[in-house]
Amino acid sequence: QQQVKQSPQSLIVQKGGISIINCAYENTAFDYFPWYQQFPGKGPALLIAIRPDVSEKKEGRFTISFNKSAKQFSLHIMDSQPGDSATYFCAASRPGSSNTGKLIFGQGTTLQVKP
Amino acid sequence: DSGVTQTPKHLITATGQRVTLRCSPRSGDLSVYWYQQSLDQGLQFLIQYYNGEERAKGNILERFSAQQFPDLHSELNLSSLELGDSALYFCASSISGQTNQPQHFGDGTRLSIL
Repeated sequence: QQQVKQSPQSLIVQKGGISIINCAYENTAFDYFPWYQQFPGKGPALLIAIRPDVSEKKEGRFTISFNKSAKQFSLHIMDSQPGDSATYFCAASRPGSSNTGKLIFGQGTTLQVKP
Repeated sequence: DSGVTQTPKHLITATGQRVTLRCSPRSGDLSVYWYQQSLDQGLQFLIQYYNGEERAKGNILERFSAQQFPDLHSELNLSSLELGDSALYFCASSISGQTNQPQHFGDGTRLSIL
């Protein structure tokens, strides 16, 4: 129940195309769903996050779509660029006792954007 | 630059040894998290501290321990090291440690056990 399942494991997209990464969860207590981007040799960097009370959130070329009933959420990268080539992680956390916010991560998706 | 500083960047040691990884959180952040990243297990939560107190524990081995000091920096101690402990260890920090607060990650310490 603590798992977050992410797919696909790897993705190749042409420059200008749309990259779509999907995540699914079981624990309905999760209430915060961030996406992180990680470049080789660097730590994960927060891209965008969503709460389950909204179905979509957009920041620039990055959009999260959230389907509460299906317990799924996805990251869409519009107009994908070679600079977007990185590993992307979805994550989830749930409220617990005060000041606890551990993240449960998906397994990651390696995105390659071809010029 | 996330503002989270981890040292050292690389650590090479032998089985059975003990190492200490250090993390300085972003200015103003009270909570520190430790995560382990390996090829087979992905990113796994180890432990969280808030303002010096342990708040949450994940699948952290008994050979591992951590603490957060009064100046809010944190240390992760790994002892009796085994080959399987080779991994990237990340520290993250957030303002309050609550569930919807962004966590900012350092660039990690790469631990290699020979």
